[in-house]
Amino acid sequence: NAGVTQTPKFQVLKTGQSMTLQCAQDMNHEYMSWYRQDPGMGLRLIHYSVGAGITDQGEVPNGYNVSRSTTEDFPLRLLSAAPSQTSVYFCASSRTGRSAGNTIYFGEGSWLTVV
Amino acid sequence: DAKTTQPPSMDCAEGRAANLPCNHSTISGNEYVYWYRQIHSQGPQYIIHGLKNNETNEMASLIITEDRKSSTLILPHATLRDTAVYYCIVRRPNNNAGNMLTFGGGTRLMVKP
Repeated sequence: NAGVTQTPKFQVLKTGQSMTLQCAQDMNHEYMSWYRQDPGMGLRLIHYSVGAGITDQGEVPNGYNVSRSTTEDFPLRLLSAAPSQTSVYFCASSRTGRSAGNTIYFGEGSWLTVV
Repeated sequence: DAKTTQPPSMDCAEGRAANLPCNHSTISGNEYVYWYRQIHSQGPQYIIHGLKNNETNEMASLIITEDRKSSTLILPHATLRDTAVYYCIVRRPNNNAGNMLTFGGGTRLMVKP
């Protein structure tokens, strides 16, 4: 039972480089999202998707792109990495939000450092 | 979604009950109270949620005041592994934002031997 899987776990980028953080879930969840967490702070929503082919912006979307071509996968792309994007990134998934009890499952995080 | 206020940190002795308060005075009628925790270097973990009745599961109990303006998460017998940051979150179940969670600062619970 893999749940939500993120790769890579650790990555160092140079300013201006691009990269993709991968997220996959095996629970057939409609909802998927990406959060970032800076030191000593709570998580902030970057982008989310309510189903395949549908994405939308969260609280801090600038500098990031997402796509949702399948139910299982929700990659996060950094177009031109900046030091301000140094953070821990969490992917999350859940069933449709119409039920209050639909638990949101998080991945283990991807630690990104931009130098 | 309503804003929450939590103390930044708390200590608890191992084996004792940990009572974590949360103020959500602007909560609206269709908003639920959710609790998540984040153990160091891990992703957040769901604990419990409730609307207006007290709730209990294998991890914790949730006590919501009658006016729903505040709640308390109770870990009945805290262990060292319960040391984590605990987040109280208030939201509608279908918030039209992909189940977005709005995280505040949380309470850093330190369970001590």
